[in-house]
Amino acid sequence: DIQMTQSPSSVSASVGDRVTITCRASQGLSRWLAWYQQKPGKAPKLLIYAASNLQSGVPSRFSGSGSGTDFTLTISSLQPEDFATYYCQQANSLPLTFGGGTKVEIK
Amino acid sequence: QVQLQESGPGLVKPSQTLSLTCTVSGGSISSGSYYWTWIRQPAGKGLEWIGCIYTSGSTNYNPSLKSRVTISIDTSKNQLSLKLSSVTAADTAVYYCARGGGSWELDSWGPGTLVPVSS
Repeated sequence: DIQMTQSPSSVSASVGDRVTITCRASQGLSRWLAWYQQKPGKAPKLLIYAASNLQSGVPSRFSGSGSGTDFTLTISSLQPEDFATYYCQQANSLPLTFGGGTKVEIK
Repeated sequence: QVQLQESGPGLVKPSQTLSLTCTVSGGSISSGSYYWTWIRQPAGKGLEWIGCIYTSGSTNYNPSLKSRVTISIDTSKNQLSLKLSSVTAADTAVYYCARGGGSWELDSWGPGTLVPVSS
């Protein structure tokens, strides 16, 4: 199985801050990586697929980059509704696997 | 817009079989180049992919659960189902069904259903 490691595990930030979350894979993924946002008691929501493609309806302040083993999710200007947990997911091979999550908290 | 909804018993006893159904609305489960998956999440923990099924009926399962999992699809009812046998407390989790797209992203999710395993 491909192991996915996210960092940091949590980050405290203020509204308007730029936030960057990193995801590292145990083997190369090309660009087969997705990012999700999950709020408490809710299902995950797809933000980014194929490393950098913004899912329809997702605000443009979210962006993804990277290829191979290292990927980044950036929130350019944090909004109140963005406080949540974020997960990366490798889509290169089965079984699909997820990172451990990054919780974005209010500073 | 497609919507998914999980349903099943609220409680399962140890050693029994967990059975869940996911009903898809707003579109045909057999249209498009999609696949359908089950994912679970223990309280306070991360996401675990259980397996998936294609409209052809072929399946892929997580090796860690493969001996206990069966996923099936009923295109006439627009439903997919999950059976997990010989459950233990470690199988207590919120179970989600989700639709998978061409880049193996999961673009639509059900709200999830909590399944406690307890005697």
